[in-house]
Amino acid sequence: KNQVEQSPQSLIILEGKNCTLQCNYTVSPFSNLRWYKQDTGRGPVSLTIMTFSENTKSNGRYTATLDADTKQSSLHITASQLSDSASYICVVRGTNAGKSTFGDGTTLTVKP
Amino acid sequence: GAVVSQHPSWVICKSGTSVKIECRSLDFQATTMFWYRQFPKQSLMLMATSNEGSKATYEQGVEKDKFLINHASLTLSTLTVTSAHPEDSSFYICSAPTGTVGSAFFGQGTRLTVV
Repeated sequence: KNQVEQSPQSLIILEGKNCTLQCNYTVSPFSNLRWYKQDTGRGPVSLTIMTFSENTKSNGRYTATLDADTKQSSLHITASQLSDSASYICVVRGTNAGKSTFGDGTTLTVKP
Repeated sequence: GAVVSQHPSWVICKSGTSVKIECRSLDFQATTMFWYRQFPKQSLMLMATSNEGSKATYEQGVEKDKFLINHASLTLSTLTVTSAHPEDSSFYICSAPTGTVGSAFFGQGTRLTVV
């Protein structure tokens, strides 16, 4: 069964600090991996999308990495802001039937 | 950029009534839309794939007679929760694929509370 596991489940950091969120997956064969930010009570918003051949991709203060060999991805947030408080969801799409598997998300809280 | 608009953003209804949620793609056409359900502190669960001009494809365990999906135009899909019960209370989100394979725009979600 395809799985996407995210860690930690929740994280609290101080404003200005950096943090890294992890995503491990078993989806195979693999098409792409996406990171979304979901504010409470809102729909997810795309941060990055990475294909098999990409190792890193940045979007402002967000940098995603991908190791397709070990099936691991990380999302690094630099100089965190209060507005970064949200749930971050890792989604992996397989090539078989194009199904996407959602991780349970990491809830990030940035405190002043 | 392209936006997916969902309406209403929240709704409270009485048990036994039906509720319709709309999902519109703005500035682009969507032959396919996806409907998700999300419980508190859980991830999104795909309920069904809405196909313009044809029947929706439901995921295993989702009652098609309870969650009616209509995709009558290239910019509008609707989800109707029929005979709603308190256990149907949840956050419902729609999405539409972008031009990039595997990527999608999500609506802002609809919080349904059945009392």
